[in-house]
Amino acid sequence: AQSVTQLGSHVSVSEGALVLLRCNYSSSVPPYLFWYVQYPNQGLQLLLKYTTGATLVKGINGFEAEFKKSETSFHLTKPSAHMSDAAEYFCAVTYSGGYNKLIFGAGTRLAVHP
Amino acid sequence: EAQVTQNPRYLITVTGKKLTVTCSQNMNHEYMSWYRQDPGLGLRQIYYSMNVEVTDKGDVPEGYKVSRKEKRNFPLILESPSPNQTSLYFCASSVRRELRNTEAFFGQGTRLTVV
Repeated sequence: AQSVTQLGSHVSVSEGALVLLRCNYSSSVPPYLFWYVQYPNQGLQLLLKYTTGATLVKGINGFEAEFKKSETSFHLTKPSAHMSDAAEYFCAVTYSGGYNKLIFGAGTRLAVHP
Repeated sequence: EAQVTQNPRYLITVTGKKLTVTCSQNMNHEYMSWYRQDPGLGLRQIYYSMNVEVTDKGDVPEGYKVSRKEKRNFPLILESPSPNQTSLYFCASSVRRELRNTEAFFGQGTRLTVV
């Protein structure tokens, strides 16, 4: 069965430091990968997605992620954290062939300290 | 403004009292879905709908019902709520049925407490 694992339910960084949020998936078919962000008391918002083509994907707010098939990973990074990045981040996967749902990881809550 | 609207945002109810959470989207999307979010479990799909009058179960459908009589609306019905349905619920929609090349738009969530 397909699944998504996010390592670290809580990550804390200082403002200006590198942000690295980890996501691994299990799949026997090519995946389509997403990162969503959830700000307090809000719904989820798409940060970026990988479908096909270039494996390094750039998203909004300076985030990017790299699809590594050999490692079954899709880690999210940002070179320099900002206070406004504090939120919960969800990695999600779906597949081709009429697959009609997103499978979400458990989420990683990012805290940014001054 | 393109949006998915859920109501109510917060609800406290008692065990067994039927309730409906409404969801409406103004983007003419074909696909709509309900998820519940629980700590440590992420979001899990309850039901989805690929078009009007077409609905199907997701991963955790027990205790829930849905209907899709109009394209824009996709209400979630709890006929006899129980405390284990206390959760944060999200409605989502997307323009196409296959999610791989499209973005899912989420409502702001409904926090339900069943006592």
